[in-house]
Amino acid sequence: GQQLNQSPQSMFIQEGEDVSMNCTSSSIFNTWLWYKQEPGEGPVLLIALYKAGELTSNGRLTAQFGITRKDSFLNISASIPSDVGIYFCAGQTSPLIIQGAQKLVFGQGTRLTINP
Amino acid sequence: ETGVTQTPRHLVMGMTNKKSLKCEQHLGHNAMYWYKQSAKKPLELMFVYNFKEQTENNSVPSRFSPECPNSSHLFLHLHTLQPEDSALYLCASSQVAGETYEQYFGPGTRLTVT
Repeated sequence: GQQLNQSPQSMFIQEGEDVSMNCTSSSIFNTWLWYKQEPGEGPVLLIALYKAGELTSNGRLTAQFGITRKDSFLNISASIPSDVGIYFCAGQTSPLIIQGAQKLVFGQGTRLTINP
Repeated sequence: ETGVTQTPRHLVMGMTNKKSLKCEQHLGHNAMYWYKQSAKKPLELMFVYNFKEQTENNSVPSRFSPECPNSSHLFLHLHTLQPEDSALYLCASSQVAGETYEQYFGPGTRLTVT
């Protein structure tokens, strides 16, 4: 089945630094989603991308849908302590809804730790 | 505040117990999902329900039994589980319309099988 390779697996940064992470695959994806999960909670949707080359921002977060449709990037600018958590990418390969199933493939996550 | 709620948030059960996890979505969505999240593994899709009909069973053992009585409620019935079933069980919902694939997650149930 499809797999997403998410990197880096973990990041240790200083408060105020910018953060970059990415997901790559050998398969073409039609949708990329980025989620953040904090301890004891479920993933929260941050950004959704639907077109190759699309660049979308949500506050200090910016995500891009790669031109090849096989990758996506998430950047966080000027990190703050509340950015700590695990960031997941998720992709959808099928352009059509098959029997209503919306199957997402998830990356393994990037754990972000911030030193104040 | 999340539009998807899950109860209980934590559950400890023995291998011979029977318990149920409950999920409710307040978003007016028509599809609901169960995922399993284990340490150091990507989220694993278990079941998909669309308009109350099960459309996906991702090779899940029969000791997990889902139930979707209506488009707002989803249950996961558990019986004779194994210690390796200990994990965070996440429910999600989405609106099946057009080509949007945004799934919204609940806070999860942390399950420990002893």
